[in-house]
This record gives sequence, C-alpha cells and structure tokens, in this order.
Amino acid sequence: NAGVTQTPKFQVLKTGQSMTLQCAQDMNHNSMYWYRQDPGMGLRLIYYSASEGTTDKGEVPNGYNVSRLNKREFSLRLESAAPSQTSVYFCASSEASQGALYEQYFGPGTRLTVT
Amino acid sequence: SQQGEEDPQALSIQEGENATMNCSYKTSINNLQWYRQNSGRGLVHLILIRSNEREKHSGRLRVTLDTSKKSSSLLITASRAADTASYFCATALYNTDKLIFGTGTRLQVFP
Repeated sequence: NAGVTQTPKFQVLKTGQSMTLQCAQDMNHNSMYWYRQDPGMGLRLIYYSASEGTTDKGEVPNGYNVSRLNKREFSLRLESAAPSQTSVYFCASSEASQGALYEQYFGPGTRLTVT
Repeated sequence: SQQGEEDPQALSIQEGENATMNCSYKTSINNLQWYRQNSGRGLVHLILIRSNEREKHSGRLRVTLDTSKKSSSLLITASRAADTASYFCATALYNTDKLIFGTGTRLQVFP
C-alpha cells in the first residue's frame, strides 16, 4: 500500500496563477483533510471531507476550493495564488467518518512557493 | 489562536536521557493525539489518548492526560539520536470532526 500520496512535491507559482494539488489514499478511508504548515506554526486545517460527496471548511478556507472526486481522491485548488499562500500543504486521511476520533495518516507534503 | 500549545518550543538532550514535552489546550476534547514530524516529511501518528483515559504507553512513549488542567505530557524514555524530530499534540474538539494542532516541540537528541 502506498498510503497517502500527493502531487506535485514542489511547485512555484506567480501571483494570480491557479493550480490544483492532488491527493489520493489507498486505505479505503472515509475522511480526508487538507492542512497547511507555515514556519513556526502547527498545521492549520483548510478543508475536510467526512465522506464521499461532502466537504466542510476548516480554520483557513479563504482562497481555496476542494473537490472530493471519489472515495480515494481529494483535491485542493488555488484559483488565484497569493504570496500568503506560500506554505507546505499536507493531505491526510482517517478511517472513520468522524475522522478526528481516530488517527490520521499523512502524505509527504507539497511545498508551494508563490512569487 | 491555537487550541494546543506545546512547551518547551525546543529541547536538546543527550542520548539515553528522557525527554518530556507538554501540551496545554483550551476547550473540551474528545481525545488528544501526538504526532511526530521528521524534517521535510509528513506527520506520523504516535499515540491517541481518549478523554476518559489518564495514561497510555506505547514502547518508549508514555502519555498522560489531565482534563481538569487541560494538559497532556509526552515522555520519551531512553532517547536515541533517531528520535530527533518535531513533536505535535493535536486535540479532537468535542462534537466536531476537526483535529487542531499545536505549534510543536523541536527535539534534538545528541549522540
């Protein structure tokens, strides 16, 4: 099992460009999450999906959109990138629909720089 | 503001010593989890303690939870150089699907 995979690993964007970060899990998990991690700070939740077809906002959703394409895949889209979105982005998944009740499995991250 | 805050922010010890990290939080929780992050990598789950538990062990790890003080501690015994990493506590807020992470403790273990 690959676990949680993310693409790309690195990306540089210019201000105003758009891009989609891809995440897939092969553990048949119900819940999936997108976090961002900035220097000196913990992870902050952007969006999450408790099950296929549902998505909810986290702490810092502004400037992002998500799609739960199917049970395996959860993508994060930046429509018009801003320098404040420079960060490392992590995708995670969890077994149950109430994902916070169980451990989460993380992908390796995408390092995004917006110039 | 962050729900969980770790203390200390950074810790340096010699191999063989014990490392203790603390986490404080603000609101009622369903459970508290500890994760480890090696430099440049994703987070790895270490241990989960539920709100009705007071102590939990896993190998060289010991976690305690005091809900009256809204605090938890992670003890790593007989530390190794390979334990060098950042450690984060994360709280599952009561009645939500959200896991809120603290700012982390950077542990450096010298051989």
